[in-house]
This record gives sequence, C-alpha cells and structure tokens, in this order.
Amino acid sequence: DAGVTQSPTHLIKTRGQQVTLRCSPKSGHDTVSWYQQALGQGPQFIFQYYEEEERQRGNFPDRFSGHQFPNYSSELNVNALLLGDSALYLCASSRGQGNQPQHFGDGTRLSIL
Amino acid sequence: KNQVEQSPQSLIILEGKNCTLQCNYTVSPFSNLRWYKQDTGRGPVSLTIMTFSENTKSNGRYTATLDADTKQSSLHITASQLSDSASYICVVGLGGATNKLIFGTGTLLAVQP
Repeated sequence: DAGVTQSPTHLIKTRGQQVTLRCSPKSGHDTVSWYQQALGQGPQFIFQYYEEEERQRGNFPDRFSGHQFPNYSSELNVNALLLGDSALYLCASSRGQGNQPQHFGDGTRLSIL
Repeated sequence: KNQVEQSPQSLIILEGKNCTLQCNYTVSPFSNLRWYKQDTGRGPVSLTIMTFSENTKSNGRYTATLDADTKQSSLHITASQLSDSASYICVVGLGGATNKLIFGTGTLLAVQP
C-alpha cells in the first residue's frame, strides 16, 4: 500500500520562473493539503483540496495555486518565483474532511537561485 | 491569533536517557492535538493524536499528555535510542468541518551515544 508520493524530490529554479509540484495521495484518501516548510520552521498551511475544489486557504498570495484531479492526485503551482519561496513543500492526504489523521509525503525541496 | 509554541528549541541527551518536550497552544476552536516526528529530509510521521477528552496516549516509548484546561501538552520519550534523533512537532487541529492544522516550530532532539 503506497503512502503519499511527491515529485520531484528536488528542484532548482531561478527567480521569476514558474514551478509545478505533484502529489499522489495515500490509497483510499480523497483530501489533499499542501504545506510550505522553511528551514528550521514548522510547516505552514497553503491550501486544501477536496472534491476537486479548494476548500481552505492559508495566508499565501495568489501566486500559489493548485488543482485536484478526479483520481484525487493534486498539483501545486507557484508563479513568479521569489528567493523566499525556497522551502520544502509537503503534501498530506486524509480521508474526507474533518479531523482525520493526515499522512505526509517526504516533500519536494525547492531551491530558488 | 492561533499559535503553537514548543520548548526547548533543541535538546541533546545521551542514549538510554528519558526526556520531555513541551507544547503550549492558543488555538480556538480546539479539536485535537498531535505529535509528529520528522526525520531530516523526510515528511512528518504521526506519533499520537489526542482529542479534548483524552489526557494521555502512548505509542511504544512515546507518551503524550494533554491538559486542555491549561492548554499544554508534553511528549515523554523513554529509554531514548539513536534513531529518536529528529524534530518533534506539536500540531493542533482546528475544530469545524475542515482539517486545518496549526504547527509548532518543533524541538530538535539529538541523541548521542
């Protein structure tokens, strides 16, 4: 039973570029949440997708957008990259909304030069 | 403002010793409190989840406590092992229909031989 898988594992971009990160949820899970984790900090909530719609959003600008597909997988898109976007981007999946346990992937390490 | 604070920021202990990590939160409405272990370069892994009515929960050598009145939690690690070296993150789940989580910044634990 595969857990949450994210791709790519590492990525290097330059300022102003655009990036797409991908996440496949754990089998049986239909809700995907995205987090940004800066070095030495706890994860910060970006947004959550359920039934292919964004249901909740954290304090992130519109440069951060996402999508959820019918198979529950999800993408995180970031436009006009800034140096401050360098971080570990984590995807977590759960079954339904509400207070269900979230299972995390190992993240995508994004470095902006 | 919803906030989760952890102490100490970092901790070094000898293998075989016990330790206790602290978490204070100001989150409303409160739904649950979780402790995660995050190894370097990996995603967080859930250790325990406690609801309002639970005041202790164990997972092997890990025991979490919750005092909902004082809004404090602790994670006690017994007979530490080298593999316990990681960041331990306290996370509070918001009440309501969503699965939004508020993360602390973590305690970095190093277990030395």
